[in-house]
Amino acid sequence: NAGVTQTPKFQVLKTGQSMTLQCAQDMNHEYMSWYRQDPGMGLRLIHYSVGAGITDQGEVPNGYNVSRSTTEDFPLRLLSAAPSQTSVYFCASSSTGPGEQYFGPGTRLTVT
Amino acid sequence: GENVEQHPSTLSVQEGDSAVIKCTYSDSASNYFPWYKQELGKRPQLIIDIRSNVGEKKDQRIAVTLNKTAKHFSLHITETQPEDSAVYFCAASLHNFNKFYFGSGTKLNVKP
Repeated sequence: NAGVTQTPKFQVLKTGQSMTLQCAQDMNHEYMSWYRQDPGMGLRLIHYSVGAGITDQGEVPNGYNVSRSTTEDFPLRLLSAAPSQTSVYFCASSSTGPGEQYFGPGTRLTVT
Repeated sequence: GENVEQHPSTLSVQEGDSAVIKCTYSDSASNYFPWYKQELGKRPQLIIDIRSNVGEKKDQRIAVTLNKTAKHFSLHITETQPEDSAVYFCAASLHNFNKFYFGSGTKLNVKP
């Protein structure tokens, strides 16, 4: 089991560029989430999904889009990158019911 | 939505001492409370969790207590070791367990 994988590990974008952060899991988990982590602010939920075809907004969804066409994949799209989106992005997955969220290794994004 | 507050933001203890980190939550419907440890440059990993129908849970040197009436929960680490040095996050989840709200984190430093 690879668990939760994320690509790329590092990315530098210019303001206004768009890109997609990839996330995949091989544990057949129904729930998947995207978080951003900024210094002193913990992990903030961007978008989450409870299954293929079902997504919803978290605390800080503006500027990001998601889709969930398969159980395994949950890509995060930045529509028009802004310096305020400089952050570390984590994808996580979990099975239904209370239990561990498994995090990916993170993507460090810098927007200049 | 839910609001999770975590204190202190930094905690320094001597090896062998105990460490306590406290969190409060705002939504009485929250019923699952995990704690994560994040080492520098790594992904968060679950260390212990508790459900709202339980008041205390212990796993070796780590324990979590929950006071539903006061809406607060705490992480207790006894006999601290240098390898306990990390950032610790509390979180709260509502009944469907797919949406998590995190505290801002506590940086624990265990001095040898």
